Amino acid sequence: GNSVTQMEGPVTLSEEAFLTINCTYTATGYPSLFWYVQYPGEGLQLLLKATKADDKGSNKGFEATYRKETTSFHLEKGSVQVSDSAVYFCALSDRERDDKIIFGKGTRLHILP
Amino acid sequence: EADIYQTPRYLVIGTGKKITLECSQTMGHDKMYWYQQDPGMELHLIHYSYGVNSTEKGDLSSESTVSRIRTEHFPLTLESARPSHTSQYLCASSSFSVLAGGEQYFGPGTRLTVT
Repeated sequence: GNSVTQMEGPVTLSEEAFLTINCTYTATGYPSLFWYVQYPGEGLQLLLKATKADDKGSNKGFEATYRKETTSFHLEKGSVQVSDSAVYFCALSDRERDDKIIFGKGTRLHILP
Repeated sequence: EADIYQTPRYLVIGTGKKITLECSQTMGHDKMYWYQQDPGMELHLIHYSYGVNSTEKGDLSSESTVSRIRTEHFPLTLESARPSHTSQYLCASSSFSVLAGGEQYFGPGTRLTVT
């Protein structure tokens, strides 16, 4: 079945460091791929998405490219801030399977000032 | 900004009580979902609905029940709360259109503690 595997956390970085959170997926059909972010005490928010191969999603300095050949959707940011501290979820939505979203287990990110 | 609301945000209640967690959205979305989020952060789908009078159980078995009498409202009920129900409950909705890429909009969550 469909699944998402993402980097285990917690990930701790200093402010202005480069961030990569790895995400790979297994899916039949043609999934859309997402990164969601959850700040402390809140629900999830969509951070970025890509709906087809080679698409790049971007938002708030974060980027991820839909790589069908490696079944990956790694999240990157060139210079993280303390305010980026949150939990990040990689997810996929398979439009051939009732549009359910399958989430990874989440990666907690701590940014130190 | 997504318009999806959950009440209460926090609830502490004794064992055996009946509780209802409220979820409402003003976006006219047909699809709505309930997730249970464990302390390890993982999300588990417990219920979903594709429209009025449609409800289905999700991937994780739950003693809760849901109803969908109006498009905008998707309450979750526990008839007799137990400590094992202590968790964070997140409600979400999405557009029926596949062109939307199936993205979901989340409410802020209800943190339930059963003593």
